[in-house]
Amino acid sequence: GAVVSQHPSRVICKSGTSVKIECRSLDFQATTMFWYRQFPKQSLMLMATSNEGSKATYEQGVEKDKFLINHASLTLSTLTVTSAHPEDSSFYICSARNGNTIYFGEGSWLTVV
Amino acid sequence: AQSVTQLGSHVSVSEGALVLLRCNYSSSVPPYLFWYVQYPNQGLQLLLKYTTGATLVKGINGFEAEFKKSETSFHLTKPSAHMSDAAEYFCAVSPTGANSKLTFGKGITLSVRP
Repeated sequence: GAVVSQHPSRVICKSGTSVKIECRSLDFQATTMFWYRQFPKQSLMLMATSNEGSKATYEQGVEKDKFLINHASLTLSTLTVTSAHPEDSSFYICSARNGNTIYFGEGSWLTVV
Repeated sequence: AQSVTQLGSHVSVSEGALVLLRCNYSSSVPPYLFWYVQYPNQGLQLLLKYTTGATLVKGINGFEAEFKKSETSFHLTKPSAHMSDAAEYFCAVSPTGANSKLTFGKGITLSVRP
């Protein structure tokens, strides 16, 4: 089946710094990718829709200047958490649509200290 | 607008017992329906999906689900639970458009007792 890969799987950064998370579709091209955030014991919260070659579409309440999304190619989308703070610590998951199915990456744990 | 309801937050079954996880949806148009499983500290893995055609769909790990339009339901079942089935299960719905996004239920934790 289709594979979506995220990197890094875990990252620790200092408060005030920026961190980038990559999401790659390994065996298909994805014009649209999705970024989610998940808090412990909770469901996934859609943050934004990443569109290849154009600006991302952010969900209400998500700061676009803080969570920068770039979808530069048909197989790669990146999420950059800028000026990270401890409250940004979370599990971030990306997904990509292949036909009528959406496949998810393995997720990335971000800890801001 | 679409929504997904997964009643309850936790289901506990004995090993070998029937697993039934309920999912009801609300959609103004015929949707695509999905069940995903999430193991601790991991991403989501697709269990099965309904798009068109046969309403009883079979997925991985012995799971299956039946789309019942009249009941707006897509319940997930497995005849005999295994210890390795313990995980978080999410039901999700999306419109049928090419770039449509998923709407998730809040998820349900399945525990399997020895």
